[in-house]
Amino acid sequence: EVQLVESGGDLVQPGRSLRLSCAASGFNLDDHAMHWVRQAPGKGLEWVSGISWHSGYIGYADSVKGRFTISRDNVKNSLYLQMTGLRPEDTALYYCARSLRGGYGFDIWGQGTMVTVSS
Amino acid sequence: QSALTQPPSASGSPGQSVTISCTGTSRDVGGYNYVSWYQQHPGKAPKLMIYEVSKRPSGVPDRFSGSKSGNTASLTVSGLQAEDEADYYCSSYAGSNSRVFGGGTKVTVL
Repeated sequence: EVQLVESGGDLVQPGRSLRLSCAASGFNLDDHAMHWVRQAPGKGLEWVSGISWHSGYIGYADSVKGRFTISRDNVKNSLYLQMTGLRPEDTALYYCARSLRGGYGFDIWGQGTMVTVSS
Repeated sequence: QSALTQPPSASGSPGQSVTISCTGTSRDVGGYNYVSWYQQHPGKAPKLMIYEVSKRPSGVPDRFSGSKSGNTASLTVSGLQAEDEADYYCSSYAGSNSRVFGGGTKVTVL
């Protein structure tokens, strides 16, 4: 079964760091670009960051640029998001999403991991 | 990276059609044929319904269709069914390896 499972979400204080992980199964991660998308409670979807299959192309939303770093390990079939300088407005459910092979669209989503930034 | 503009709500009776618009700029929607649409039921992860403006993934009913004109993309749901009641989000490639989402539209089946 094709599946994405996120982990690492937690309650953290403003200014602290957190690392999210996304474990892929049922497919070869290196066939796909991967992305992080977040959703604040009761709000809409917000694209956070994306990385090409070979890590050569990386993009970030302006709201997280300079604070978040996306990476991947195709051998471990895993995607990561290193978050530093966390702010209350980063509070959200963070989804890992697979990009269509050779296309533009997120065809597989995880169930998300919750990040809460509060003192 | 401004969010794409969607109407907050739309509605229709069973069997009718509803169309949701998604307005961006020439730097995103208008500049690329890379618009996708997602359906999200409460408490669930989003589901891809349309990609690259008008392509339907395997398993998505042909009641769902997409189109684009200039800086505005549209999703049409024909023959509305109760299970179509959900939030719908558009997304577009926005250059420089970035993506942008719309604010979402809540579709109600009356």
